[in-house]
Amino acid sequence: KQEVTQIPAALSVPEGENLVLNCSFTDSAIYNLQWFRQDPGKGLTSLLLIQSSQREQTSGRLNASLDKSSGRSTLYIAASQPGDSATYLCAVNNNDMRFGAGTRLTVKP
Amino acid sequence: DTAVSQTPKYLVTQMGNDKSIKCEQNLGHDTMYWYKQDSKKFLKIMFSYNNKELIINETVPNRFSPKSPDKAHLNLHINSLELGDSAVYFCASSQGWQANTEAFFGQGTRLTVV
Repeated sequence: KQEVTQIPAALSVPEGENLVLNCSFTDSAIYNLQWFRQDPGKGLTSLLLIQSSQREQTSGRLNASLDKSSGRSTLYIAASQPGDSATYLCAVNNNDMRFGAGTRLTVKP
Repeated sequence: DTAVSQTPKYLVTQMGNDKSIKCEQNLGHDTMYWYKQDSKKFLKIMFSYNNKELIINETVPNRFSPKSPDKAHLNLHINSLELGDSAVYFCASSQGWQANTEAFFGQGTRLTVV
């Protein structure tokens, strides 16, 4: 059964810093991995989808990488802004979507 | 043009009642899911339906019964509600489990059992 772990559980940084969020999974036979953002009391917003054959995906200041063989993915956020404050979730898809517990990010002005 | 919509957004009910949460997607997807997000914010899959057929049924009490009248709808019916059922329930959809599948989530239904 797929287990997904996200480190750190919480992260607080000053505005402008670059940061990395980590996601690891136990079963490397995945179809894809998806990063989401969740604001307090809100639903999930899809940020990036990486297919199993891909190594990375980029969208604006976000870059997600995937190393399937080692069961790891990272989400890199460049030049962080207070508006980036949210919980970031990674979900691994191998016949169903399993989520990590998330990283709660706070970007201080 | 909401892709995945859930109703109601908030639901407060007493213990022992039966309630339903509705979910509809207009993306033409063939797979739909129900997730439960507990007080610690952990998202756990409950059910997955593909083409109206149950694919995944995690360890969920049989008081929870999903119903998929067609590919665009996956409703969640809960019998004999208990305090521990209080949580946020999310519906999601995707186009099968193909590599380029992106999942889309509804805004959630906050269920409070009193």
